[in-house]
Amino acid sequence: DAGVIQSPRHEVTEMGQEVTLRCKPISGHDYLFWYRQTMMRGLELLIYFNNNVPIDDSGMPEDRFSAKMPNASFSTLKIQPSEPRDSAVYFCASSLNRVTEAFFGQGTRLTVV
Amino acid sequence: GENVEQHPSTLSVQEGDSAVIKCTYSDSASNYFPWYKQELGKGPQLIIDIRSNVGEKKDQRIAVTLNKTAKHFSLHITETQPEDSAVYFCAASLTSSSNTGKLIFGQGTTLQVKP
Repeated sequence: DAGVIQSPRHEVTEMGQEVTLRCKPISGHDYLFWYRQTMMRGLELLIYFNNNVPIDDSGMPEDRFSAKMPNASFSTLKIQPSEPRDSAVYFCASSLNRVTEAFFGQGTRLTVV
Repeated sequence: GENVEQHPSTLSVQEGDSAVIKCTYSDSASNYFPWYKQELGKGPQLIIDIRSNVGEKKDQRIAVTLNKTAKHFSLHITETQPEDSAVYFCAASLTSSSNTGKLIFGQGTTLQVKP
């Protein structure tokens, strides 16, 4: 398996624009996690899914953030409208079940100017 | 909710020396403690983990110890090599039949191994 695949790797956008980050989890994994990484706050869990169903979105910072998982092989994290403070590296991770290792993707570096 | 504190934030050692990174957690119910290594431009990668039913686990040059009473756990790297230079994260979670095991991460430790 190629691992967790995220796209794009880098995204630069203007404030106010919509941004969509994409993730393909490892095939067969039941759990999918979205994290945000910044120097100030470290790695923060934004939301996670179990079998495509959102379980806990308490980490989503604002209503401007939304995430979907329409099927077992694809998830999106959308920011609309984007703001400069959203600039960060966003990671997607997946795991086989609740007690196994979470595998991380390479991340998407988002810059909002 | 769970809170994980990690120290030190930076650590510099000479090649061949040992490195120790410590973490404390707040939720006594947490039962799974992984350590991740993150190299520049990459996502975190699991290097070792420990569950609450054991006090120590070792894998070659890497070991982790857990003190449930004190709610702290540590990563020990012996005979450090330059390729060990990276950012290391500890994490804690509660995994049970009713909990999905949400990982809460420490702030990270930047380890530099000088040749």
